[in-house]
Amino acid sequence: DSGVTQTPKHLITATGQRVTLRCSPRSGDLSVYWYQQSLDQGLQFLIHYYNGEERAKGNILERFSAQQFPDLHSELNLSSLELGDSALYFCASSVAATQRETQYFGPGTRLLVL
Amino acid sequence: LAKTTQPISMDSYEGQEVNITCSHNNIATNDYITWYQQFPSQGPRFIIQGYKTKVTNEVASLFIPADRKSSTLSLPRVSLSDTAVYYCLVGGSSGGGADGLTFGKGTHLIIQP
Repeated sequence: DSGVTQTPKHLITATGQRVTLRCSPRSGDLSVYWYQQSLDQGLQFLIHYYNGEERAKGNILERFSAQQFPDLHSELNLSSLELGDSALYFCASSVAATQRETQYFGPGTRLLVL
Repeated sequence: LAKTTQPISMDSYEGQEVNITCSHNNIATNDYITWYQQFPSQGPRFIIQGYKTKVTNEVASLFIPADRKSSTLSLPRVSLSDTAVYYCLVGGSSGGGADGLTFGKGTHLIIQP
């Protein structure tokens, strides 16, 4: 158990819909990262927040957005969902904001878009 | 921009030592090298991190030559449970940017009995 929690564990929805994925970092961690992992794809970095502020953006679509709240939990919003958005979405946390920090990953949210 | 190149897949047998090499020709002075392990349907898990020479912990060793343009993750006496995807990341301590957060497709290691 990494100490990072993600909800929901599974999510099934239809194309065109909007969903929100939630992540609670380990106690004391200020950084939250979001990743997408599709079938046969590597782990794709989406976005990084540190203490409420966006620090880095990766391959995140404009239909996707995220935020980190004052209590440090984070939400990833996916809108106008397409079949290709079906994937495992991981959240990770770390103590600080530098790239060398060890990231602790949550169990993931499996999204299926029908 | 320190990008990494790893073999797509490898296989070995139980009890053998497995070495996975990662190339990172454009590594910067303040970059560290970190390896993660991922089992199916689980999030990656930190294995080891190093800057230069050799680092060893209870599960693996990391060998980094003097030019730091590559690194080798060494798993001693592997077992079936070491079958997983292994990712090499290169990232600095200066913060910011997405380069050090590129996991890529990793190396699929399959251990056979």
